Amino acid sequence: EVQLLESGGGLVQPGGSLRLSCAASGFTFNIYAMGWVRQAPGKGLEWVSVNTANGIGTLYADSVKGRVTISRDNSRNILYLQMDSLRAEDTATYYCARWGQSCSGASCYPDYWGQGTLVTVSS
Amino acid sequence: NLMLTQPHSVSESPGKTVTISCTGSGGSLASNYVQWYQQRPGSAPIIIIYKYNQRPSGVPDRFSGSIDSSSNSASLTISGLKTEDEADYYCQSFDSWKWVFGGGTQLTVL
Repeated sequence: EVQLLESGGGLVQPGGSLRLSCAASGFTFNIYAMGWVRQAPGKGLEWVSVNTANGIGTLYADSVKGRVTISRDNSRNILYLQMDSLRAEDTATYYCARWGQSCSGASCYPDYWGQGTLVTVSS
Repeated sequence: NLMLTQPHSVSESPGKTVTISCTGSGGSLASNYVQWYQQRPGSAPIIIIYKYNQRPSGVPDRFSGSIDSSSNSASLTISGLKTEDEADYYCQSFDSWKWVFGGGTQLTVL
């Protein structure tokens, strides 16, 4: 059974930093692209970032580019999201999601999601 | 840049059929796959349709997806509505190396 367990969320002041983690199990982590999707309270889903299976390729939404870094540890089956210069508008539940296997572009999409971790940016 | 527009809310009675639309602007849905996700209150999204009309194992065949290239829109149809289908539904596609979600449709089954 695919399982994705996020952690690392919490309350942080504007301008602060936070690192989210996602522990994966139930599948061969190192052959899947992985990513993050967020959801502000009462709002819709917003794609944040994707990382290729080997960790080399990264893509970011314009809203977070330059402020967040996605990475992974394939030896420990963990996905990370380093978030810096946080703003109030970054307040959201952050979902880790499994993307595709050996896919590219439109053929890649999130197929399994974790339960999310809440990040609140407020003074 | 691709934008996906969904109706904010729809409602229908148990046992009936409802269709939720997802209209693309600024890009072609026929050139990129469309997925649909169901999100029940307090839960994470789950995929119910991928690549326009494919159902993951475990998803009932009451759920179906389609694409209309002429109107640049995709649709999710749910037949034989059950109260458990009450949820938010999101369409998702891809454009210029970015993944795009629609704003979501709240389905009420009453």
